[in-house]
Amino acid sequence: EDQVTQSPEALRLQEGESSSLNCSYTVSGLRGLFWYRQDPGKGPEFLFTLYSAGEEKEKERLKATLTKKESFLHITAPKPEDSATYLCAVQEGGYNKLIFGAGTRLAVHP
Amino acid sequence: NAGVTQTPKFQVLKTGQSMTLQCAQDMNHEYMSWYRQDPGMGLRLIHYSVGAGITDQGEVPNGYNVSRSTTEDFPLRLLSAAPSQTSVYFCASSSSGANEKLFFGSGTQLSVL
Repeated sequence: EDQVTQSPEALRLQEGESSSLNCSYTVSGLRGLFWYRQDPGKGPEFLFTLYSAGEEKEKERLKATLTKKESFLHITAPKPEDSATYLCAVQEGGYNKLIFGAGTRLAVHP
Repeated sequence: NAGVTQTPKFQVLKTGQSMTLQCAQDMNHEYMSWYRQDPGMGLRLIHYSVGAGITDQGEVPNGYNVSRSTTEDFPLRLLSAAPSQTSVYFCASSSSGANEKLFFGSGTQLSVL
């Protein structure tokens, strides 16, 4: 059973067209939920950590939110340089390791 | 700042060959980890270490060995490569644990024929 599921698998947007990416999780005792950005041929780069339901974090055009069962990454007025794969990961209570979702490939076209 | 350095960037092996993927970090991080990334799947944890001399298994440890003799280095050894180990391998580190932000290397693309 998948513990971290991201949707959609791929998303194509026009520049300026806002949207949201979803990350749902089924782990018990969530210690933290993480968002990373990965560009082709590179390692993931940290974006946000969320620790409790109701928490929100923002960075430029990105805003991450957390509920008890899922997290959303909202992208407002995206630009082509926001094109990347966005990865979600969770840390389950009692374990010193992360479980990653498969990612959402975002393409923003001019 | 070098951050996390992985070598080599690309490697082709024949089935049964052995090799070591190198990972070094210059941030004095205690926590280091190895992941593999396959198409359509999330990053999967192979092994991790919370400090020199301490290692533990992740989700997919079979076929891989690690050791941590220094804080800076965390090499990953493939003892007898198999085609199922064809993947992109990432090393990552953080200051204290998985609940801290991870710094990733640029990856090693490994093909086993």
